[in-house]
Amino acid sequence: DTGVSQDPRHKITKRGQNVTFRCDPISEHNRLYWYRQTLGQGPEFLTYFQNEAQLEKSRLLSDRFSAERPKGSFSTLEIQRTEQGDSAMYLCASSLRVTSGATDTQYFGPGTRLTVL
Amino acid sequence: DAKTTQPTSMDCAEGRAANLPCNHSTISGNEYVYWYRQIHSQGPQYIIHGLKNNETNEMASLIITEDRKSSTLILPHATLRDTAVYYCIVRAAGGGGSNYKLTFGKGTLLTVNP
Repeated sequence: DTGVSQDPRHKITKRGQNVTFRCDPISEHNRLYWYRQTLGQGPEFLTYFQNEAQLEKSRLLSDRFSAERPKGSFSTLEIQRTEQGDSAMYLCASSLRVTSGATDTQYFGPGTRLTVL
Repeated sequence: DAKTTQPTSMDCAEGRAANLPCNHSTISGNEYVYWYRQIHSQGPQYIIHGLKNNETNEMASLIITEDRKSSTLILPHATLRDTAVYYCIVRAAGGGGSNYKLTFGKGTLLTVNP
């Protein structure tokens, strides 16, 4: 069973550095989501793609954040000029879009834990 | 999406049934109830979802009241590995609008004791 995978699982960086995370969704899932989770809180939505199109971005996604999903397969999330406040778990999820009136279930990956020193 | 209310924490004895309540009094007719859980330092794990009828799968049962204003997730025989934060989420159906995201609260920390 191939679920959602994320790489790396842990990342430690210094403030001001750029970092990039990768997410590989479940095969044939056309929707891909990024969430961020800080200590003691539930995950918060950042952005989502349907195929290669980025359809929505949260206000949490500042100009330093950029996400891509070339060819509608894997996705990358880049954070430029990292700040200590960016320290969090970054979660990726995928789902298969269904027809209107039904619902699609999101399946999450293990997350990438970012620590900014 | 409608908001949900869950107890902050609950305890359960190993081998007993764990019943986790969730209030969603403002739920709309086309909104599903989803349950996820998150074991420490892992990604959320999907458990079950339902619209109106009670649902059961290999992990749990979901009981939704007739007025749909509350639901209960039941783990029939809790084990130590079921210790986790359990999230109850309501989410609209359909392929568009704002139903793309899951809105998580703080969930219920279920501790299964030996």
